[in-house]
This record gives sequence, C-alpha cells and structure tokens, in this order.
Amino acid sequence: GESVGLHLPTLSVQEGDNSIINCAYSNSASDYFIWYKQESGKGPQFIIDIRSNMDKRQGQRVTVLLNKTVKHLSLQIAATQPGDSAVYFCAAISSGSARQLTFGSGTQLTVLP
Amino acid sequence: EPEVTQTPSHQVTQMGQEVILRCVPISNHLYFYWYRQILGQKVEFLVSFYNNEISEKSEIFDDQFSVERPDGSNFTLKIRSTKLEDSAMYFCASRPGLGLYNEQFFGPGTRLTVL
Repeated sequence: GESVGLHLPTLSVQEGDNSIINCAYSNSASDYFIWYKQESGKGPQFIIDIRSNMDKRQGQRVTVLLNKTVKHLSLQIAATQPGDSAVYFCAAISSGSARQLTFGSGTQLTVLP
Repeated sequence: EPEVTQTPSHQVTQMGQEVILRCVPISNHLYFYWYRQILGQKVEFLVSFYNNEISEKSEIFDDQFSVERPDGSNFTLKIRSTKLEDSAMYFCASRPGLGLYNEQFFGPGTRLTVL
C-alpha cells in the first residue's frame, strides 16, 4: 500500500521569507499528488496539485516540485504571510477507480512576525 | 461557491451507542468519501462511495461502520456501537468524478467524542 510521510512536524519561518515543506511517498504507482492546508477546526483545503507526468507546477505564491526518482515532493510558499500558518498535508493518489487519498502526517507551519 | 457541509459539528455519545454523521456533498459530484483524523494524527481514509455502492474501504471500516445515500443530497456515516477509539474528527469529501485528476473537496468535519 501507500504510505506518505513528512520530513518535519513543525516549521517556523519569518513573515516574508519563503517556506519549504517536504514530503516522501512510497508507492511508485501514485500518479497524482495534492497539497492541503488545514487550519484549526477546519477541514483540509486544497492548495495545489500535480500529476506524475509533471515535475513542477506553480500557483499563486505556491510551487510544488515532484521528484519521482526519489519519490519526493515539496511545497514552496513564497513570501510567507501570517495567514499561511496552518498544518500542511501532502496526499498521494494511486491508480484505481476510487482515487482515495493517502495523507502524510502533516507539518505545522508557524509564521513569526 | 459550492461547498461540502456536515452536521453536527460536534457529537458527544456514550460508548456502545449508535451515531449517524451527516454530509451534504457538492451537487453534481459523483464520488463521496469519509475520512477520519484522530487528534494529532494524519487524516485516514475510511470509505469511498460511487453509484450508490461502496467502491473502496480501508481496514478501519469494519462491520460497525456503514454508509448510505438515503436521498439525492445526503451522505451518511453510521457507527453502530461506538468505541472510545472512535473519537476523532470525521471528514466527508466529494469530487466531480469526471476524469482522474480532480481534487476532493472536504467538509468542515464532525468532531465525535465517545465517553
């Protein structure tokens, strides 16, 4: 089966700096990856996704990098803002009809003023 | 913007009691999911539902759990005889189902506390 892990449980950055959150997955059959943001007391909120045929995708202030060789992906947040403080999860989806998500354990991002 | 809704936001029950958690997925979505998150842990997949039947379920989803789509809008998760270890946040999610690469939209969750 799939297992997804994150490298650091907590990350603190200064406001305005860039943040990098890392994630590793185990199943080479995973073909779709999503980063979610979870604020306290809320459900996971989609940030950005990437398919396995890509190695980089950019959104507004966020970039996801995928390295299939080492089964690693990262989320980069540019000019981190206080509103970015949350837990960030990566999730992998393996081929299959149900397309259920396998989540990593989460990184708590704290933005310092 | 359409969103997934869940009720109640918080459910407190006694061990051994039955609970039903309710979700209204986004209209026109075809795939529905339940996930749970024990406090401080990762979000875990429970079950997926498509075309009025379970399409996948995890080892967590044992005989004590069931899902139902009783009408065109609601999607429910029933736990027949709750255990202390069922205490968690339960998230419902849905996705359009058109194509392989579309995100799942999550509801705000129901916090289940089993005493």
